[in-house]
Amino acid sequence: GQNIDQPTEMTATEGAIVQINCTYQTSGFNGLFWYQQHAGEAPTFLSYNVLDGLEEKGRFSSFLSRSKGYSYLLLKELQMKDSASYLCAVTPSTGRRALTFGSGTRLQVQP
Amino acid sequence: DTGVSQNPRHKITKRGQNVTFRCDPISEHNRLYWYRQTLGQGPEFLTYFQNEAQLEKSRLLSDRFSAERPKGSFSTLEIQRTEQGDSAMYLCASSSLGQGKGQPQHFGDGTRLSIL
Repeated sequence: GQNIDQPTEMTATEGAIVQINCTYQTSGFNGLFWYQQHAGEAPTFLSYNVLDGLEEKGRFSSFLSRSKGYSYLLLKELQMKDSASYLCAVTPSTGRRALTFGSGTRLQVQP
Repeated sequence: DTGVSQNPRHKITKRGQNVTFRCDPISEHNRLYWYRQTLGQGPEFLTYFQNEAQLEKSRLLSDRFSAERPKGSFSTLEIQRTEQGDSAMYLCASSSLGQGKGQPQHFGDGTRLSIL
């Protein structure tokens, strides 16, 4: 089966750093995606990891450890507009294209 | 690049009625996906097309659901004899066929279905 776990909610302060964790147990693994979703809007792509290590893209970074079934999304210099849900999604196996999503982490950035 | 377009944005209908949604993917994308999302949950995969071929279907896609992509461009998702449990946001996504960087799926704004 497929199981992806993320914290339901997090709160952080503007200008701070926040780390959103994701653990997964899937039958096969062919990459992990992070998406941002503002309320009532489409999910938008943030990052992709398929090999172990850190991928950095501006204020956002994503880390993957395949042996631990673990990823995190790191958001630096938080801004109010970063208040959104952050979705972790896994492509379970080579040849399959369907994404399996976690329930998402709702991040609230406070002044 | 106009992004993924979905119509209608909202649909309210009575239980038992049939509904059809349309998705226009990003023009150069060969792959098209349908997902369903309920409040507080992540999207759940329904089905996937590569060009006009439907290559994957979820067990969530009951006999009342059917999807088509007749010319490998736009797609339609039809739900027959709607039930209360069908109320959700229906999201369409598309991606390119190339290699590398996971070919991320780009989502439309969705069609919100409400069953009365």
